[in-house]
Order: sequence, then C-alpha cells, then structure tokens
Amino acid sequence: GEDVEQSLFLSVREGDSSVINCTYTDSSSTYLYWYKQEPGAGLQLLTYIFSNMDMKQDQRLTVLLNKKDKHLSLRIADTQTGDSAIYFCAERSGGYNKLIFGAGTRLAVHP
Amino acid sequence: NAGVTQTPKFRVLKTGQSMTLLCAQDMNHEYMYWYRQDPGMGLRLIHYSVGEGTTAKGEVPDGYNVSRLKKQNFLLGLESAAPSQTSVYFCASRPTGTGNEQFFGPGTRLTVL
Repeated sequence: GEDVEQSLFLSVREGDSSVINCTYTDSSSTYLYWYKQEPGAGLQLLTYIFSNMDMKQDQRLTVLLNKKDKHLSLRIADTQTGDSAIYFCAERSGGYNKLIFGAGTRLAVHP
Repeated sequence: NAGVTQTPKFRVLKTGQSMTLLCAQDMNHEYMYWYRQDPGMGLRLIHYSVGEGTTAKGEVPDGYNVSRLKKQNFLLGLESAAPSQTSVYFCASRPTGTGNEQFFGPGTRLTVL
C-alpha cells in the first residue's frame, strides 16, 4: 500500500538552512505536499509540487522532487525560530484527493 | 470567513460513552475529511465525503460513523468509545478541482478513559 516516510526530528541553528526529507511509495502520485503544524494548531499548507516538476521555489522555501527515487525534500533558507514546528509530507493517492501523510518531522531551531 | 471550525476543542469520555464531533466549513467546499493524529503516525483518514449526502470509508473507519446531511457540516460519531480512540481529530475540507489544498480545522483532543 501507500506509505510516506520522514525522519522524526531535525535540529538547526538559527540562520542556517534546514532540509527535511521524505520518501513515498505511490509512483502514480500527481501532487506532493508539505504542511506545517504549529503547537496546538491544525495543519497549514506550505507548498506543493506537481509530479512533472523537479523543483519549486517560493521565497525561503525550495521543494525538490526526485521522481525516480520517490524522494521529496523541503529546504528552508535562513531558518528562524518561528519556523519551529512539525512538518508533514503528504502524497495525493487515489481518488478524491485523499492524502497519505508521513509521521511528521519536528524542526527545532536554536540560537 | 471562519474557515473550518471544530466543536468541541477538548473532551474526556469514559469507555462505552458516545459522542459526536462537529466540523463546519463556510467556504462552500464539496469535499470534507476526518483524520486522526496519533504520536509518531502522522494523520490517518477515517472517513470522507465528496458531497452532501455522501460518505465513504477511509483508512481507519472502524468504530466511527459519519454523516453529511448539510454541505457545510460533517459529523463524526463514536457510538461506544474505546481507549484506542484517544487521539487528536482533525477535519479538513477542499473545493473541487485538481491540486486544491485541504484546509484543516484546529483539531479536537479526545481522551477516552
């Protein structure tokens, strides 16, 4: 079945770049998403990439997609303390835009 | 617009009790979803609806029922709560069209003793 895997924890220094990685299994996924969850809140869409793209850049965020290896990454440039949150990778799988989520990567930003 | 709202925010139940979680959206979205979030497991889809009057099972539907009598509301019911249903429940909605994001509510934290 479909599966999405992420590392559970990442710690970076403020001002450095953060790279969060994700692997997925459904090669027919058309869209892949990155969501951000701050403490006590729901999920908020950060960005998404269509499967025919290799890269997407949006201000401090860069998404890289390696479709051959089914690998997705999110790079956050100049990471700030406000970026501390849990980041979820998700693939669109099957009909009706059902999303399969990874377990989430907790990003901790320290001074 | 209030977006997606969930009621209640917190609830504690005893095993065997029943309750209904309410999700409401004011964006005229067709699709609505119920997820549960457990530590280290990400979000798992319980049930979803592709329109008023329709529902379908997701990945983990057992022990839950849903209803979508009005387009703006999606109800999740627990008929006989079990400790394994202790979780944070998120509702989401999205409009029709490919690639459209799901908009999430703030969540309901449920504890079953």
